[in-house]
Amino acid sequence: GQQVMQIPQYQHVQEGEDFTTYCNSSTTLSNIQWYKQRPGGHPVFLIQLVKSGEVKKQKRLTFQFGEAKKNSSLHITATQTTDVGTYFCASLGGSSNTGKLIFGQGTTLQVKP
Amino acid sequence: DGGITQSPKYLFRKEGQNVTLSCEQNLNHDAMYWYRQDPGQGLRLIYYSQIVNDFQKGDIAEGYSVSREKKESFPLTVTSAQKNPTAFYLCASSTSAPTSGRTDTQYFGPGTRLTVL
Repeated sequence: GQQVMQIPQYQHVQEGEDFTTYCNSSTTLSNIQWYKQRPGGHPVFLIQLVKSGEVKKQKRLTFQFGEAKKNSSLHITATQTTDVGTYFCASLGGSSNTGKLIFGQGTTLQVKP
Repeated sequence: DGGITQSPKYLFRKEGQNVTLSCEQNLNHDAMYWYRQDPGQGLRLIYYSQIVNDFQKGDIAEGYSVSREKKESFPLTVTSAQKNPTAFYLCASSTSAPTSGRTDTQYFGPGTRLTVL
């Protein structure tokens, strides 16, 4: 079935450094969603990208959807301790997957103050 | 975030016992989902329901059962057949059924951390 691969699995940065997580698929994605899960918490929706080459920003967060719609990235500028958590990408599976949402494995971000 | 409740937050059970996890939503969402999350791993879909009285198996349905008798409720039973049930269980809901072609935001409950002793 369709898989969404996310890298890296873990990232430790110093506060103020930038951070990027990547999401890749071997097949074309209809869209991509990003979620954040704080330690001990539950995933919370951040954003959805639909168009090829789309770029969206939320304050220090920049989300990109690849031109071929096979990859996406989340970039955080000047990380803060409040950015700590696990970031997941997710995409609607193809027809063979009956349309269910497929999640990446997540990237866990640690920020040292 | 708000609108989906799961209870209890922590649950301990002895090996061999069935246990039912509660999930209730007041968001009037048609679709509901159950995921399992193990430490350092992503979300794996157990079951999902597009509408009342209908549900489909996800990727790891073996050892689990669900029901959808009411729109707002989607309880998950972890049976004794589930070989490794200790995990964090997340319930979610969304406005659209997956096969509608739309991908609406999934709203997650706070989760239930199940430990089987």
